[in-house]
Amino acid sequence: DAKTTQPPSMDCAEGRAANLPCNHSTISGNEYVYWYRQIHSQGPQYIIHGLKNNETNEMASLIITEDRKSSTLILPHATLRDTAVYYCIVRVAGGGATNKLIFGTGTLLAVQP
Amino acid sequence: DAGITQSPRYKITETGRQVTLMCHQTWSHSYMFWYRQDLGHGLRLIYYSAAADITDKGEVPDGYVVSRSKTENFPLTLESATRSQTSVYFCASCSPGAGADTQYFGPGTRLTVL
Repeated sequence: DAKTTQPPSMDCAEGRAANLPCNHSTISGNEYVYWYRQIHSQGPQYIIHGLKNNETNEMASLIITEDRKSSTLILPHATLRDTAVYYCIVRVAGGGATNKLIFGTGTLLAVQP
Repeated sequence: DAGITQSPRYKITETGRQVTLMCHQTWSHSYMFWYRQDLGHGLRLIYYSAAADITDKGEVPDGYVVSRSKTENFPLTLESATRSQTSVYFCASCSPGAGADTQYFGPGTRLTVL
């Protein structure tokens, strides 16, 4: 079962920041927060991950609350090509079955022109 | 080009036929995975492999066979295809490191079993 809760859908205007929330209130101390997205008919694409600190890369920023029970993925300037289902996943890093990614239902982000 | 590729991208077959889906990665990642994606179920793990000649079952392994004789290849075989195996199949790979590890997915194979 997915250990995260995300809103089923969100809209965002093109060029504006998209803020996608995720609740993971039962996260363990050794679990990372991962974000993937899946554009229609394509394979899931890795976006970013973090453990405790906020993270930023060329695609997005990840803000994790101090108690680690929730996080927000920020796409700073959303474009139409960012329309996709965004998945928030928590998992322990390492080998074996712990590598399994449990995809919930995600958030469908619709970027509007 | 470097990356992870799957073939074929589309396949139509008949019930009872054997089908093999191919996955190839050029990163020398030790771990490889097969998922299937169905409406209402999200992505579910079928099999995974930690290294060449090491494979293990995921959530939904029944009806599937895998092998991994080389690090870069991880074929998935449906020995006797059934209509319930109509799905989109994704292969992924990763290289576990000290810390977090990230899975990279292929483009998928859309399989239809008639």
